[in-house]
Amino acid sequence: RKEVEQDPGPFNVPEGATVAFNCTYSNSASQSFFWYRQDCRKEPKLLMSVYSSGNEDGRFTAQLNRASQYISLLIRDSKLSDSATYLCVVPASNTGKLIFGQGTTLQVKP
Amino acid sequence: DARVTQTPRHKVTEMGQEVTMRCQPILGHNTVFWYRQTMMQGLELLAYFRNRAPLDDSGMPKDRFSAEMPDATLATLKIQPSEPRDSAVYFCASGLPRSGANVLTFGAGSRLTVL
Repeated sequence: RKEVEQDPGPFNVPEGATVAFNCTYSNSASQSFFWYRQDCRKEPKLLMSVYSSGNEDGRFTAQLNRASQYISLLIRDSKLSDSATYLCVVPASNTGKLIFGQGTTLQVKP
Repeated sequence: DARVTQTPRHKVTEMGQEVTMRCQPILGHNTVFWYRQTMMQGLELLAYFRNRAPLDDSGMPKDRFSAEMPDATLATLKIQPSEPRDSAVYFCASGLPRSGANVLTFGAGSRLTVL
């Protein structure tokens, strides 16, 4: 099993739709997780941290499922500006090494 | 806003040449990461430093790549000799772990093309 796996997509959705991405990880000892957003030809930027109790920020909700070892990102009422690649990040060891998933591409259409 | 500064932003070179990329992490951050991004592989971790000490460079081809932190304000990634397959965007990121979580700030990247 890869350390971090994401469905690359692309996910093509209409404006206003709700879309969800999952990210599975192999290191059961991982404690902190993140979602980053990357626009075309730009650097990744932090979108959200993922807490054990879940985390909500406006239209975005991140959840952690430790039993099944995945994290999820839910986007409600999607906007054209949400079109980007969404990367999940998982610590791979006790040294703090951070591993990025391949990314899931979202295209929001008018 | 504090930012991670990478140079050069773009580099075109010929196969066999030495390439050096530089990164200035955010002041006060004690972790530095080098990632390489290609369309096929996504973001691959090349090297990771904490307090200037290399903790993990298992993702880096040792025969031609080297990464160092000569001081807290400078991280370097060197490729010698460069090959066309090294063409990619190289990102540097820095962070300061808090409560077990390390939020990274990325530089704008160095886009390398090896002909």
